[in-house]
Amino acid sequence: GDSVTQMEGPVTLSEEAFLTINCTYTATGYPSLFWYVQYPGEGLQLLLKATKADDKGSNKGFEATYRKETTSFHLEKGSVQVSDSAVYFCARRGGDYKLSFGAGTTVTVRA
Amino acid sequence: NAGVTQTPKFRILKIGQSMTLQCAQDMNHNYMYWYRQDPGMGLKLIYYSVGAGITDKGEVPNGYNVSRSTTEDFPLRLELAAPSQTSVYFCASSYGDTYSYEQYFGPGTRLTVT
Repeated sequence: GDSVTQMEGPVTLSEEAFLTINCTYTATGYPSLFWYVQYPGEGLQLLLKATKADDKGSNKGFEATYRKETTSFHLEKGSVQVSDSAVYFCARRGGDYKLSFGAGTTVTVRA
Repeated sequence: NAGVTQTPKFRILKIGQSMTLQCAQDMNHNYMYWYRQDPGMGLKLIYYSVGAGITDKGEVPNGYNVSRSTTEDFPLRLELAAPSQTSVYFCASSYGDTYSYEQYFGPGTRLTVT
């Protein structure tokens, strides 16, 4: 079935460090791919998305490129801030309008 | 514009009790969803609705029921609560199909069954 696998955390970084969170998906059809972010005590928010191969989603300094050949959608940010501390979820749109989520990666950025 | 609201924020239930988790959205979204989030497991879809009067099961519907009598409200009912239902529950909504439309999430309800 449709699934998403993302790297396990937790990830702890210093401010201004480079962040990458790996995400791979099952290659059934041509799914839309998403990164959602969950800040402490809040619900999930859409961070970025890509709907077809080679698309690059970007927002708030984060980027992810839809790689069909490697079935990957890795999230990257060049210089993280303390305010980026959150849980990050990779997701794919499967049949109809349902999303399949990865397990989430907890990121903590230290000043 | 409040977005997606959920009540209560926290609840402790005894085994065998019942309760309703409330969810409302004021964005006139047709699609609504209930997820549960277990530690290290990501989100699992419990039930969803594509419009008033229409609901369907997701991945993990057992032990839950839903109704959708209005566009705005999508309550989730737990009958005979069990410890396995201890989780954080999120309600979400979207204007249409997730291919084109973002899902908006509520702040969650943390439920403990003891």
